[in-house]
Amino acid sequence: KQEVTQIPAALSVPEGENLVLNCSFTDSAIYNLQWFRQDPGKGLTSLLLIQSSQREQTSGRLNASLDKSSGRSTLYIAASQPGDSATYLCAVRLRETSGSRLTFGEGTQLTVNP
Amino acid sequence: ETGVTQTPRHLVMGMTNKKSLKCEQHLGHNAMYWYKQSAKKPLELMFVYNFKEQTENNSVPSRFSPECPNSSHLFLHLHTLQPEDSALYLCASSQDDSGRARYNEQFFGPGTRLTVL
Repeated sequence: KQEVTQIPAALSVPEGENLVLNCSFTDSAIYNLQWFRQDPGKGLTSLLLIQSSQREQTSGRLNASLDKSSGRSTLYIAASQPGDSATYLCAVRLRETSGSRLTFGEGTQLTVNP
Repeated sequence: ETGVTQTPRHLVMGMTNKKSLKCEQHLGHNAMYWYKQSAKKPLELMFVYNFKEQTENNSVPSRFSPECPNSSHLFLHLHTLQPEDSALYLCASSQDDSGRARYNEQFFGPGTRLTVL
């Protein structure tokens, strides 16, 4: 059974700092990996989607990497801002499951202090 | 704001009540999903509908009853719930859930915060 782990569970940084969020998964036979953002009491917003054949994806100040063989992904946030404060979720889509089934990690709660 | 809406946003109910959660997507998708998000736990997939047909029931207790009358609407009927059912219930949609569409992205609604007293 696929398990997804995110470390750390919570992170607090001063504004302007570069930071890295970690995601690991136990079954490397994935189709892709997705990073989401969740604001308190809100739904999920997709940030980046990395296909299994890709090594990284970039969107603005966000860069996500994927090392499928080692079962790891990182989300790098450059020059963090208070508006980046949210919970960041990692999810993988397995080869064995059909369609769009996702297995989620528990998330990293990020606080960026002004 | 996403193309997936959920109502109500907040719901408080007693253990003997019957209520329903509603999800509507305006994206022209054919697959819809219910997830449960409890405190300190990962999102749990509950049900999947693909072209109005239920394709997955992830061992969900019968006190949760889904309904998908068409590809745009998804309901979750609730009855005789327990306090441990209190959680954020999220709806999502994607283009479809078939084997052809393994790269489909899911779009989430804002969720319904459910409290069972």
